[in-house]
Amino acid sequence: EAGVAQSPRYKIIEKRQSVAFWCNPISGHATLYWYQQILGQGPKLLIQFQNNGVVDDSQLPKDRFSAERLKGVDSTLKIQPAKLEDSAVYLCASSLAGPYESQYFGPGTRLTVL
Amino acid sequence: QKEVEQDPGPLSVPEGAIVSLNCTYSNSAFQYFMWYRQYSRKGPELLMYTYSSGNKEDGRFTAQVDKSSKYISLFIRDSQPSDSATYLCAMNGANNLFFGTGTRLTVIP
Repeated sequence: EAGVAQSPRYKIIEKRQSVAFWCNPISGHATLYWYQQILGQGPKLLIQFQNNGVVDDSQLPKDRFSAERLKGVDSTLKIQPAKLEDSAVYLCASSLAGPYESQYFGPGTRLTVL
Repeated sequence: QKEVEQDPGPLSVPEGAIVSLNCTYSNSAFQYFMWYRQYSRKGPELLMYTYSSGNKEDGRFTAQVDKSSKYISLFIRDSQPSDSATYLCAMNGANNLFFGTGTRLTVIP
């Protein structure tokens, strides 16, 4: 079974630029999550989708971050404009149904904002 | 107060030692408790998943939950250099997971 795929693996941008990350979850997984993991910290949930609907985006900085999950499969997370404090690893995870199911993580995208 | 507290370490042990990793939490509504292992530059990987108080064993790993004390533990027996990683505890709220900061473990050959 293929795991969660993410791209790119690494991205370096300057502040005020925009960036987009892509995630392809495990086939058949209805729930998709985007997490932000700052160095030395645990992952923090940014947004959770159930199929193509948003379940929780309470911690997503909506003035600069946006995410979509078209057709209930792939998802993109965008930052526009980026700030220095957005430097982090952005992890995508998926689970079969809801958050009480085991979550499977992708390798992450390491973003550096200069 | 954070939802989940975890000692960040780092923790260094000799090969073959028993390792004890711990987390405390504040929300008595948490029902599902997980341990994830994260190797450097990789995503977290689910190691153990438990529900309710008690012990769960899987090979060299034992997860322990004490809901009355709001305390969970992960024990690693006969630790190996390949166990060197960051270990994250996590627990379910209403809709999402709350993670600890992770404990960085190094097993020295």
